[in-house]
Amino acid sequence: DAGVTQSPTHLIKTRGQQVTLRCSPISGHKSVSWYQQVLGQGPQFIFQYYEKEERGRGNFPDRFSARQFPNYSSELNVNALLLGDSALYLCASSFSMVRDSYGYTFGSGTRLTVV
Amino acid sequence: TQLLEQSPQFLSIQEGENLTVYCNSSSVFSSLQWYRQEPGEGPVLLVTVVTGGEVKKLKRLTFQFGDARKDSSLHITAAQPGDTGLYLCVDGGGSNYKLTFGKGTLLTVNP
Repeated sequence: DAGVTQSPTHLIKTRGQQVTLRCSPISGHKSVSWYQQVLGQGPQFIFQYYEKEERGRGNFPDRFSARQFPNYSSELNVNALLLGDSALYLCASSFSMVRDSYGYTFGSGTRLTVV
Repeated sequence: TQLLEQSPQFLSIQEGENLTVYCNSSSVFSSLQWYRQEPGEGPVLLVTVVTGGEVKKLKRLTFQFGDARKDSSLHITAAQPGDTGLYLCVDGGGSNYKLTFGKGTLLTVNP
């Protein structure tokens, strides 16, 4: 079975531009979460979506937005890019929002570099 | 805001050595998880622990959860190069089920 798929794998953007990152969850998983991992840090929570509705938002500016589609795939959008937005963006999927022993399955991430 | 402190930040050892890494939380864990992240990859769940004082073993890895549910340790016996990676301590709880990560311990096992 395919795992969590993220695209693109790498991306270089210029300050002020906008970027869209994509995530396809494991088949049957209805929850998708987005995390930002700056070099040398642990991942930080950005958004969680379940059944196409936003269920949680981390401490990120309004330049960050996301959505989940009927097929449970998701997009993360970042507007007006800053140098500090350079990071590995991780998508994680799970079957439901119920806390269980299986945790989340992460994709390999999109490496965004802002120049 | 919950803070997870992991130590040491970096650890470089030779194959065959034993090691222990630590995680301390500023508040009680909802549930404790350990993940390992290899370069260029996303984190992979190793274990979930819920009960204070619980010890879980996964082959050569031993995970211990403190009685007060605010600290944890991960012990690796006879480390192998394949154990190389970033070990992340995580609180898997919260009302919106977000994961709260520590900064991690970067382990390098040299052949």
